[in-house]
Amino acid sequence: GENVEQHPSTLSVQEGDSAVIKCTYSDSASNYFPWYKQELGKRPQLIIDIRSNVGEKKDQRIAVTLNKTAKHFSLHITETQPEDSAVYFCAAEEAGFQKLVFGTGTRLLVSP
Amino acid sequence: DVKVTQSSRYLVKRTGEKVFLECVQDMDHENMFWYRQDPGLGLRLIYFSYDVKMKEKGDIPEGYSVSREKKERFSLILESASTNQTSMYLCASSFPGRTGELFFGEGSRLTVL
Repeated sequence: GENVEQHPSTLSVQEGDSAVIKCTYSDSASNYFPWYKQELGKRPQLIIDIRSNVGEKKDQRIAVTLNKTAKHFSLHITETQPEDSAVYFCAAEEAGFQKLVFGTGTRLLVSP
Repeated sequence: DVKVTQSSRYLVKRTGEKVFLECVQDMDHENMFWYRQDPGLGLRLIYFSYDVKMKEKGDIPEGYSVSREKKERFSLILESASTNQTSMYLCASSFPGRTGELFFGEGSRLTVL
């Protein structure tokens, strides 16, 4: 089955800096990769996603890139703000199944 | 606005007790999921269901069972709770074909003593 690895486990940045979170996946047949944000004490929420026919997708300060050949994808957050502090999870949709496999999460801390 | 409601936010149970975690969604979603969240391990899929009375094992089904008698309700059952089942349990739902867009409940934190 699919396996997703995520790095780093924690990331501390100063407000205004950029943050990058990286994930790798094992199944080359996977073709959908969402990112979820979980604020402290709250439920995970989808923030951005990318399909395998697209190399990059942007939504304001966040962007996701995908390298199918290398089987890795990344989340980029520019001009970080304290409200970006949260745990971020990458995921891959397991090919042939209607289910997601999640990474282990990255705790992002943005200091004012 | 999609709403996924989990019946209990916090539960404390004793080893060997039978535990029911209930989840209800109001968006007529066919797909429903139970995940377990543990620090450093991320979200791991326990069971999922594509339709009423259907269930599929996820990645860590041992020690759990599920029930889906109605489309809007998906229950997770711990037949005999053990201390290693102390965790945060998250229910989620989605439309078929849009599995990546999961709508999560607020979670049920279970402590087994």
